[in-house]
Amino acid sequence: DAGVIQSPRHEVTEMGQEVTLRCKPISGHNSLFWYRQTMMRGLELLIYFNNNVPIDDSGMPEDRFSAKMPNASFSTLKIQPSEPRDSAVYFCASSSRGQNYGYTFGSGTRLTVV
Amino acid sequence: DQQVKQNSPSLSVQEGRISILNCDYTNSMFDYFLWYKKYPAEGPTFLISISSIKDKNEDGRFTVFLNKSAKHLSLHIVPSQPGDSAVYFCAASGGGSEKLVFGKGTKLTVNP
Repeated sequence: DAGVIQSPRHEVTEMGQEVTLRCKPISGHNSLFWYRQTMMRGLELLIYFNNNVPIDDSGMPEDRFSAKMPNASFSTLKIQPSEPRDSAVYFCASSSRGQNYGYTFGSGTRLTVV
Repeated sequence: DQQVKQNSPSLSVQEGRISILNCDYTNSMFDYFLWYKKYPAEGPTFLISISSIKDKNEDGRFTVFLNKSAKHLSLHIVPSQPGDSAVYFCAASGGGSEKLVFGKGTKLTVNP
């Protein structure tokens, strides 16, 4: 099992540009989570999906952020337009309901908006 | 408001000694608690968990203690090893939700 795969690993973009982060969850996992890690706020949940349906997007900071899960093996997190304060590490995680070890995280995407 | 708090941003211990990482929570609905370990440039990885029906869970060198009345849990690592140097996150869930709420993490450094 390749684990949760995120791409790109690093992204540097200019303010105002559109950024798309990608995630492939573990096959068979039916829940997918997007987290953002910053020094000030730690790991905060942005949105999560269950069976490809968004369940809770209360953590999405602004309308500039959007997330989709068109099928069980792929999800995107889009920021349009990006701002310097969006600079952070974005993690995707997946899980299967009932497992007792929480989530499996990807390696993250480090986003820098200049 | 922070529902899960790790008040110590960092901890330094000597190899072979005990490391104790602490976590406090405020939400009474939380009934499942986890510890994750994170190395630089990697995602967090699961370490150990505990259900609210227990007050202790052991896995090798790692033990998690839960004090429900104090809304406090701790992770003990005995003996500590240099490879344990990482950031440790406490997380909690409850009320039937799959959402995990994380603390800000504690950076543990184990000195040889």
